[in-house]
Amino acid sequence: GEDVEQSLFLSVREGDSSVINCTYTDSSSTYLYWYKQEPGAGLQLLTYIFSNMDMKQDQRLTVLLNKKDKHLSLRIADTQTGDSAIYFCAESLPGKKLTFGTGTRLTIIP
Amino acid sequence: DTEVTQTPKHLVMGMTNKKSLKCEQHMGHRAMYWYKQKAKKPPELMFVYSYEKLSINESVPSRFSPECPNSSLLNLHLHALQPEDSALYLCASSQEKAGASIEQFFGPGTRLTVL
Repeated sequence: GEDVEQSLFLSVREGDSSVINCTYTDSSSTYLYWYKQEPGAGLQLLTYIFSNMDMKQDQRLTVLLNKKDKHLSLRIADTQTGDSAIYFCAESLPGKKLTFGTGTRLTIIP
Repeated sequence: DTEVTQTPKHLVMGMTNKKSLKCEQHMGHRAMYWYKQKAKKPPELMFVYSYEKLSINESVPSRFSPECPNSSLLNLHLHALQPEDSALYLCASSQEKAGASIEQFFGPGTRLTVL
């Protein structure tokens, strides 16, 4: 199957860390991605991880991959108001198709 | 230039109209995509072009007709649409690398309203 699941909403206080979770079902995924979508805008690729990696860090972003449990997470350190957006995880399947998760709306509390 | 541009930004059309959405990239990417995104939902793949040839059609109704005139341009021709086709239409492109596209760059989208 190609289901990619995420929690719909997350609220975090400004300055705290945000952790957005994603579960996927297709073990043949080659790459897993995190995209950010601000209101009325297209999708911006934040980061991606190859399926044979466990962790990737890029400035405030940390991606953790548990391939056994098919669980992906995105941690945003020191969350800012500009981080308010919908975050989609996605998996890349053979044949170049991207399958997106349901999206998590991140709200920052001042 | 690391941008994917889309025109128009907004489009309102009647069910009998014919219109086209346009997408352009100058990154030398050889794969281009059309996605449809309904409100509060993830993008859904419609079409993939690879080296200017249609490689994936996700069972999209024939009232949507894609065209790739050259490696930089991708069009989506619209005819006899239904109100439920109202959505954000996103274009994306990626570099072909050994059969797997690592990164897709998305345009800002065209918000389509069908009356």
